[in-house]
Amino acid sequence: QSALTQPPSASGSPGQSVTISCAGTSSDVGGYNYVSWYQQHPGKAPKLIIHAVSKRPSGVPDRFSGSRSGNTASLTVSGLQAEDEADYYCSSYAGTDNFVFGTGTKVTVL
Amino acid sequence: QVQLQESGPGLVKPSETLSLTCAVSGSSINSFYYWGWIRQPPGKGLEWIGSIYHTGSTYYNPSLRSRVTISVDTSKNQFSLRLSSLTAADTAVYYCARRVGTTENLDYWGQGILVTVSS
Repeated sequence: QSALTQPPSASGSPGQSVTISCAGTSSDVGGYNYVSWYQQHPGKAPKLIIHAVSKRPSGVPDRFSGSRSGNTASLTVSGLQAEDEADYYCSSYAGTDNFVFGTGTKVTVL
Repeated sequence: QVQLQESGPGLVKPSETLSLTCAVSGSSINSFYYWGWIRQPPGKGLEWIGSIYHTGSTYYNPSLRSRVTISVDTSKNQFSLRLSSLTAADTAVYYCARRVGTTENLDYWGQGILVTVSS
């Protein structure tokens, strides 16, 4: 299976919003309600911030939101804060107990 | 608090087999979760390796299936990864994680272990 396509980078000033896209196919992103997003700071393990397309785990600020249209999912970070500067990866269930990750997006807070 | 901790060698020779173990605390391996391995080459993105259920049922990334074996030891509350015929392309940080089967996400991760394949 091929990796999901994300833009390499995105940026915004503190307080602004940034949206990251995650393009897949009808066999993954568009075929299952199992899109997740992970935040990864340098040298750290990924952290789950969105699951089931748009659900936030307990403790994740409501500044993070997820959505999907067709075969493309999106993550929006509203009210950007300095600590939001990190790499973000989408992931989708791809059937037969397999998963595919996105190529990753580096978010810079200007 | 659920915690996962990877252990194993940091340096392995080409053509050899990598063996890593993930010790789980705060969550029983015998619960309704799956347990998975993911890797990340330096400076690159994440790659799904595979997962296992406590019954021993395994699920592997098709691109790695011929070289991967994941096993579980319920008595020690841990699971393991074996990856054979190593090349430099297998150099990566290897993470273990808990997979939630009902929502298909990875909710807890280990800190990761860097494995370098070099002679």
